[in-house]
This record gives sequence, structure tokens and C-alpha cells, in this order.
Amino acid sequence: QKEVEQNSGPLSVPEGAIASLNCTYSDRGSQSFFWYRQYSGKSPELIMFIYSNGDKEDGRFTAQLNKASQYVSLLIRDSQPSDSATYLCAVNFYGNQFYFGTGTSLTVIP
Amino acid sequence: GAVVSQHPSRVICKSGTSVKIECRSLDFQATTMFWYRQFPKQSLMLMATSNEGSKATYEQGVEKDKFLINHASLTLSTLTVTSAHPEDSSFYICSARGRRDSYNSPLHFGNGTRLTVT
Repeated sequence: QKEVEQNSGPLSVPEGAIASLNCTYSDRGSQSFFWYRQYSGKSPELIMFIYSNGDKEDGRFTAQLNKASQYVSLLIRDSQPSDSATYLCAVNFYGNQFYFGTGTSLTVIP
Repeated sequence: GAVVSQHPSRVICKSGTSVKIECRSLDFQATTMFWYRQFPKQSLMLMATSNEGSKATYEQGVEKDKFLINHASLTLSTLTVTSAHPEDSSFYICSARGRRDSYNSPLHFGNGTRLTVT
């Protein structure tokens, strides 16, 4: 298996704060990167994806990619209690091999 | 679009029996199917990747004779857990990619199957 690592957490932030989630990956051949949210007992839901270096914003979410450092992050602004979930980083190696990180559990405290 | 249907959502079986899980792409042709397994409080672990009409490629440590994967058509893939044991109890999730998906496209996930072996 390819290596995809996330800060394990759990991470707790107060409502309205910024939550920062990090992910590193082992293979420089990685092509695209995805952030999924998973609620207990459910399948992952796509939040956003990124494949170019830099930042990509979508509403309250910002993904940041640094291929030189093999690092991808997700920022959640104005965190809400409904954002409480496990966040999974997924990396697409060589076009058709998807591997997931260990996941970070996020709790947003009202 | 890009709906993946997985069935059953829950199954309980006795140790030693076999269980089949179906994964269907409802509105696209799934050229590649991925099968994942997830134990409680752990991440998704890729079990195997299958391309339509080809044998599945299994990840290291996954027994291909125990977890039989068939991808005979562009809309259906099945995972059969043979001679199931309690340690096979897990959440199994399929996902798919279609002809129109690029390498940047995300996976389309089924809703998962909760398998409990007693």
C-alpha cells in the first residue's frame, strides 16, 4: 500500500473557529488529492479535490497542495457542529490507484 | 449522475458461509471498480481493483481466494466473501470510475455493506 498519513487527532475546535487538517503522502508520482468527510456508519462524501500546487477554495473549505513537500491540507473556516465527522485524505497514485489516509476525527464544540 | 448502488446494506451470516455483495453503477459505465474494507475507527483499506472483463488486482495481504471479485459487466461488480469468519466482520465499500472520468475525477462510492459474521 502507498503511504498516506494524517494527523490522527481527535481534533476539537470551538464553533466559528478554523479547523486545520493535514495530510502527507509518500509517492511523488501522486497526481490528484481528495478530501472526504465520513459520518459514522456511512460512506465517504467528497468535499473537494485539488491537483495543482497552491490553494483551492470552495465556500468555507480551502484545500492547499504543496507537491514539493508532499503535503496537502484542508482548512474549514467558521466551523459548525455539523462539520463534526472524520475527514479522510485520499491520494490518486498514477491515475487509477486510490489510497486513503488514516483519517482525522473532528469535533466542533457549540 | 454517477450513482453507485451497493446491496445489501447490512448482512449477518454464520461462520463458514459465503456472502455476496453487489455493486452497480446506475447511470454510467464503470470501467474500474475499487473495493475497500473499513474496520471500526480505521480508515478505508483498498482490497482490490478490478477492470471490466479482467481479473482483479489484489492488494498485498488480501487473500484472492477468500475475497472473490467479479467485474463481468460495465455496470456490475461483485465481492464474495467465502467461508466467512468473525474476523471478516467489517464495513465493505465499493467505488467506481467511468469512461468519462479523468485521472483527476473523484471516486463514486456505494453506500457500503455492514457484514457481521456470527
